[in-house]
Amino acid sequence: SQQGEEDPQALSIQEGENATMNCSYKTSINNLQWYRQNSGRGLVHLILIRSNEREKHSGRLRVTLDTSKKSSSLLITASRAADTASYFCATDVRAGGTSYGKLTFGQGTILTVHP
Amino acid sequence: NAGVMQNPRHLVRRRGQEARLRCSPMKGHSHVYWYRQLPEEGLKFMVYLQKENIIDESGMPKERFSAEFPKEGPSILRIQQVVRGDSAAYFCASSRGGGNYNEQFFGPGTRLTVL
Repeated sequence: SQQGEEDPQALSIQEGENATMNCSYKTSINNLQWYRQNSGRGLVHLILIRSNEREKHSGRLRVTLDTSKKSSSLLITASRAADTASYFCATDVRAGGTSYGKLTFGQGTILTVHP
Repeated sequence: NAGVMQNPRHLVRRRGQEARLRCSPMKGHSHVYWYRQLPEEGLKFMVYLQKENIIDESGMPKERFSAEFPKEGPSILRIQQVVRGDSAAYFCASSRGGGNYNEQFFGPGTRLTVL
């Protein structure tokens, strides 16, 4: 398996429900970022969580980070049809105490929210 | 403040031709990253550049691919003698700094199709 794997690969829910996506990684990180990508489009930055943070909120998004388990989760509450997209986690791998921001992406979770 | 700009958005080349992809980072950003996304996959790091310097090209194929970020003008990803396997979406990202905790903002991508 590779750095930054998302689970599940695909998630299908009804509008109003919550969506939870998980990401696991292998090596020590400086930070973990979540991105969203609509079909055929570029990536939109959602949240960056640092390795010394455990939880972060932004609107309907909640990200948690457990460095002991090398995992992160992205929760989208009260989902909307417009949330339909692919969601990627990306890790900024630590090397010798610092890094220069090279990101390693997982395969992504495809979220479909039905109206 | 304009975001990261990439052009062209779509590029069609025949095998053996050259492809030149351009990326203009966000204003105030001096760090540029190139990623490639194959269909149904996550993004893979290719190269990281600062003005006039290649910092890390570990993800870039040794042959046919080159990148530059001149003092003036956009960053260029150049693919010589393209082959069908080069067909992918190429994304550029920029950040203000290259150290830890710097968010990367992505452009809309260039979709390269090799006939």
